[in-house]
Amino acid sequence: EDKVVQSPLSLVVHEGDTVTLNCSYEVTNFRSLLWYKQEKKAPTFLFMLTSSGIEKKSGRLSSILDKKELFSILNITATQTGDSAIYLCAVPTDSWGKLQFGAGTQVVVTP
Amino acid sequence: DAGVIQSPRHEVTEMGQEVTLRCKPISGHDYLFWYRQTMMRGLELLIYFNNNVPIDDSGMPEDRFSAKMPNASFSTLKIQPSEPRDSAVYFCASSFGRDQPQHFGDGTRLSIL
Repeated sequence: EDKVVQSPLSLVVHEGDTVTLNCSYEVTNFRSLLWYKQEKKAPTFLFMLTSSGIEKKSGRLSSILDKKELFSILNITATQTGDSAIYLCAVPTDSWGKLQFGAGTQVVVTP
Repeated sequence: DAGVIQSPRHEVTEMGQEVTLRCKPISGHDYLFWYRQTMMRGLELLIYFNNNVPIDDSGMPEDRFSAKMPNASFSTLKIQPSEPRDSAVYFCASSFGRDQPQHFGDGTRLSIL
């Protein structure tokens, strides 16, 4: 059975801290892993990772994939209150691109 | 560019009533996905379409749920009859191509009393 597990489930940090979120997966025929950010409404796409060891970066957010150990991490540096959200990890589980999502990590950044 | 558009944004109705949720995908996208999100179960895929054809509806919880995509720019998710346990946020998402990121609409918050 395909599995996507995120940790921690939630965390609270102060502005300026660095946050590291984890996503581990067990999927047949792995092709990619995606990260989304969900604030009050729709999940918004952050990164798609397909190759091990190549960091993707966007501003203060970065992510990397380890296909040998079957996990990915999402880092947020110099956190701001606007980073407060649920961060979701997802992996395609069939040849059509059907995504299985993890339960998400809720991040709260306090001033 | 317009994103995925869902309507209504909120729906409150009584148990037993028919509910129809609507979705307009991003123009040119050939995949459309319907999800349900609850605190208990997280984000669950209900059904998805490729080029207007349903590919996998194994996530549809019961026969009370049905979905259609009559053309490339419109899809509906119908619940008949509705029950309180159907209360959730329903998202529609679309993508261009098999392995491309899905883009989500703002969702419909459904409350069944």
